[in-house]
Amino acid sequence: EIVLTQSPDFQSVTPKEKVTITCRASQSFGTSLHWYQQKPGQSPKLLIKYASKSISGVPSRFSGSGSGTDFTLTINGLEAEDAATYYCHQTTNLPWTFGQGTKVEIK
Amino acid sequence: QLQLQESGSGLVKPSQTLSLTCAVSGGSISSGAYSWSWIRQPPGKGLEWIGYIHHGGSTQYNPSLKSRVTISVDTSKNQFSLNLSSVTAADTAVYFCARAPLGIDYFDLWGRGTLVTVSS
Repeated sequence: EIVLTQSPDFQSVTPKEKVTITCRASQSFGTSLHWYQQKPGQSPKLLIKYASKSISGVPSRFSGSGSGTDFTLTINGLEAEDAATYYCHQTTNLPWTFGQGTKVEIK
Repeated sequence: QLQLQESGSGLVKPSQTLSLTCAVSGGSISSGAYSWSWIRQPPGKGLEWIGYIHHGGSTQYNPSLKSRVTISVDTSKNQFSLNLSSVTAADTAVYFCARAPLGIDYFDLWGRGTLVTVSS
């Protein structure tokens, strides 16, 4: 099983700041790594597919990068509506697994 | 627009079987272009993939739950179901159903989720 470890677990950020969340995999794979945003009481929403590919309707301030074992989600210019928990997710190997989540709070 | 809606018992006694259904509306589960998954989230915790089914009935399960899980599909009712046997308090969670494009595999559509509590 591929274990995904996100850092940090929690981040308190001022609006307009840049946010960087990392996801490290226990074994190397290509780019079958996806990012989701989950707000309280809601289901997750797909933000980035295949490490860096954008999703229609997702604001351009969200971007992703990485391959192998190290992946990054970047929010350029945090907005109040971005307060949420962010999860990475791999679909290279079964069982599909998720990172433990990174909670982003607005200061 | 295609939507997913979970339903089922919100309270299950320990050792019994948890049963949930995910109704697919606005599209056909038989299109063959997707896999249909169950994912759960214990209160205040992260996401765990339980397993998926294809419209033809082939399944894959998370090994951590495989001995207790059955996912089935009913194409005539345009829905798929989850049975989880011998539940304990550790199975208390919000259960989501979700769709992934076949061979591409990210979850592009989710249900709203349903809370299942295991308690006597």
